[in-house]
Amino acid sequence: NSKVIQTPRYLVKGQGQKAKMRCIPEKGHPVVFWYQQNKNNEFKFLINFQNQEVLQQIDMTEKRFSAECPSNSPCSLEIQSSEAGDSALYLCASTYSTGQLYFGEGSKLTVL
Amino acid sequence: GEQVEQLPSILRVQEGSSASINCSYEDSASNYFPWYKQEPGENPKLIIDIRSNMERKQIQELIVLLDKKAKRFSLHITDTQPGDSAMYFCAASRNNAPRFGAGTKLSVKP
Repeated sequence: NSKVIQTPRYLVKGQGQKAKMRCIPEKGHPVVFWYQQNKNNEFKFLINFQNQEVLQQIDMTEKRFSAECPSNSPCSLEIQSSEAGDSALYLCASTYSTGQLYFGEGSKLTVL
Repeated sequence: GEQVEQLPSILRVQEGSSASINCSYEDSASNYFPWYKQEPGENPKLIIDIRSNMERKQIQELIVLLDKKAKRFSLHITDTQPGDSAMYFCAASRNNAPRFGAGTKLSVKP
């Protein structure tokens, strides 16, 4: 069973609506990643954090997404204004440093 | 310089035979190469990985080869079983977020 907890497992939004997903990384893992896996199973890296600081993010994430990993609270990824192309599985993963990623079960977003 | 190419996208083999998946990467500074298995409706799980200080690693029926000069690495599953049927993803990283290949759908026929 995954020790990275993602909620909700499923969410359905209309275009233009906000969509927010949460992730509790595995205990002791300071590095958290968000990936988008589309219907073709392709992974797209979105953003990663070390503790509360953003390490890397892609352009799309910078413009339409907001993400944070506050101390003592779940990490979150929020799409400000959902588009049909955002429908995907959003996977959160954590790791101790540079090595094996431990993935959560994912949040499957459907944008109608 | 961060693309990871993975082939084939679909692989069908007979139970008991070997399956091979090949990946190539662009960033010569990449130093960590994991392989993940993802079953339908589940999250990806690490099955084997290799670091740049090694050329070969084996865990039971899984063998990973790394050719740093050619910037290629591969996964070989010997004696495949129906339970090996899944999506397989390679990835490469350089102390940063791993970039994933497009995946290989492996089907093992009984």
